[in-house]
Amino acid sequence: QLLESGGGLVQPGGSLRLSCTASELTLSRNLMNSDLLNWVRQAPGKGLEWVSAIRGSAETYYAGSVKGRFTISKDFSKSTLYLQMNSLSAEDTAIYYCAKDRLEIWGQGTLVTVSS
Amino acid sequence: DIVMTQTPLFLSVTPGQSASISCKSSQSLVFSDGKTYLYWYLQKAGQPPRLLIHQVSNRFSGVPDRFSGSGSGTDFTLELSRVEAEDVGVYYCLQSVQPPWTFGQGTKVEIK
Repeated sequence: QLLESGGGLVQPGGSLRLSCTASELTLSRNLMNSDLLNWVRQAPGKGLEWVSAIRGSAETYYAGSVKGRFTISKDFSKSTLYLQMNSLSAEDTAIYYCAKDRLEIWGQGTLVTVSS
Repeated sequence: DIVMTQTPLFLSVTPGQSASISCKSSQSLVFSDGKTYLYWYLQKAGQPPRLLIHQVSNRFSGVPDRFSGSGSGTDFTLELSRVEAEDVGVYYCLQSVQPPWTFGQGTKVEIK
């Protein structure tokens, strides 16, 4: 129901932008009006780590591990959630999921691999 | 940050039997609106997590009544009754009372 894209292989120190949209029109229309939109990641073989959330268009929250390097944003005209990731390191290698509100609806995830 | 501690980390359950998972938080999960922001998720292999229980004890849409949540303040429990083969996976608790939201370490459940 949510579709992430933009993952791939990037070198340490590099940048990547992830996107999240809805697969269904109704959900797409509601997506930008969600109370909260989130990014959650899961490193290979590890548990879940909440990364970031956005409420409205300007109220943002970040995990300490990504603060100052990642930026969450929304484009209402495109009904798309973004995660701009800068200064990537191997520790950022993970599947990145977008999730709606209190993580009620999740995407399938997109894999980010940081390696030289 | 609020630390979420799950126990046990591994459970082996006989089909038809019951099991419980504990989740303890380092701070109260009661928000100023009076609601308690404690959630339970199940992640099956190769899939994204799926919400089971929201705000301690409310089953999400489509979740069987074999799953139930209870607790208050800092101490919470997920009960699995009449366990079925499809219940295998890793169960996580989550607090979203304050950022950064934090998950428990996960409890892996297998069926004997």
